[in-house]
Amino acid sequence: AQTVTQSQPEMSVQEAETVTLSCTYDTSENNYYLFWYKQPPSRQMILVIRQEAYKQQNATENRFSVNFQKAAKSFSLKISDSQLGDTAMYFCAFCPMGNFNKFYFGSGTKLNVKP
Amino acid sequence: NAGVTQTPKFQVLKTGQSMTLQCAQDMNHNSMYWYRQDPGMGLRLIYYSASEGTTDKGEVPNGYNVSRLNKREFSLRLESAAPSQTSVYFCASSSTTGDIQYFGAGTRLSVL
Repeated sequence: AQTVTQSQPEMSVQEAETVTLSCTYDTSENNYYLFWYKQPPSRQMILVIRQEAYKQQNATENRFSVNFQKAAKSFSLKISDSQLGDTAMYFCAFCPMGNFNKFYFGSGTKLNVKP
Repeated sequence: NAGVTQTPKFQVLKTGQSMTLQCAQDMNHNSMYWYRQDPGMGLRLIYYSASEGTTDKGEVPNGYNVSRLNKREFSLRLESAAPSQTSVYFCASSSTTGDIQYFGAGTRLSVL
């Protein structure tokens, strides 16, 4: 069975600083996708970044980057130059390639960006 | 560009009542999904539809039925609501499996 673990229920960071959110997963699959989603107080789920497991290069989207360690089954999200608008719940998610019904989310990390 | 639209946004039911949650997407996506989100937990997949005319169970399908009415619409039905179904329900769509999922704003359902 696949599981996704986010061990940090809540984190805080000062505006303009850098923060890293942790995610580990457990799977026997070799090909899969990993995602980070953001859920602000509005409840809307917004994709932050996606990583394909077959790609060795870490994905980057502006201030957001990941550290993907396939052997360690680790997928952390780094947010640089944190902004007040980054305050939200962040969910890590896993999906084996080609399997719709096995899309797993972690329990989330609540990030508070302080002015 | 509306994206994924869910209705209603809020609903209160009594135990045993039935209701249907509606979801529509205007992105011409093939795949659609229904999730529930309980406090302190991530989203759990209830049902999904890989393409028009097909549906399949996810992680927590008991107590729910779905209909993929056409490519745009994917509804979730609670035939006899139970307090354990109190949750926030999200609909999502994606072009293909493993692709980016776009989410609706959610429906907050309370079953008394």
